[in-house]
Amino acid sequence: GESVGLHLPTLSVQEGDNSIINCAYSNSASDYFIWYKQESGKGPQFIIDIRSNMDKRQGQRVTVLLNKTVKHLSLQIAATQPGDSAVYFCAENNPHTGNQFYFGTGTSLTVIP
Amino acid sequence: NAGVTQTPKFQVLKTGQSMTLQCAQDMNHEYMSWYRQDPGMGLRLIHYSVGAGITDQGEVPNGYNVSRSTTEDFPLRLLSAAPSQTSVYFCASSYSYFRAAGDTGELFFGEGSRLTVL
Repeated sequence: GESVGLHLPTLSVQEGDNSIINCAYSNSASDYFIWYKQESGKGPQFIIDIRSNMDKRQGQRVTVLLNKTVKHLSLQIAATQPGDSAVYFCAENNPHTGNQFYFGTGTSLTVIP
Repeated sequence: NAGVTQTPKFQVLKTGQSMTLQCAQDMNHEYMSWYRQDPGMGLRLIHYSVGAGITDQGEVPNGYNVSRSTTEDFPLRLLSAAPSQTSVYFCASSYSYFRAAGDTGELFFGEGSRLTVL
């Protein structure tokens, strides 16, 4: 079966520092990945996605890196702000399962003012 | 634009009771799905639908039924609630089940329904 895991369940960073959240996946057929942010009491929200034909993708203050060789992706948040405090999930998808995604267990990010 | 709306937000049931979690989306999305979220388990897919009249099982379907009579609505039914079904349930939708080149597979989530079964 598929498994998506995160290296660290919790992460605390000082406001203004950069944050790096890691995710490992095991299915080599996975070719599409999404990072979601979930604030307390709310549903997950899309942050950024990346396809397997890319190594890096940048958004506003966020960058996702994909290393297919070791089946690892990371989410980098620049100049972390208190509003970034949330749980972050990576989700993987492969072309054989339509729009079904397998989610990791999540990393809780706390930003210290 | 309301997006994905789930009701109720909170519910307490006794073992053996039945209930329906409602989900509605106003984005004309073909694909709708239900996930449950448990501590340390991430989000796990219960059932999904690729269009009106079509449903299929996800990773953890036992104890749950679904139907999709309209594009907008995708209710989740618990016929005989068990304490193991205590969880937070999320409904999510996307434009299509079949990921065309260039589409984002982004799932739009509701705010969740917290269910406690005593």
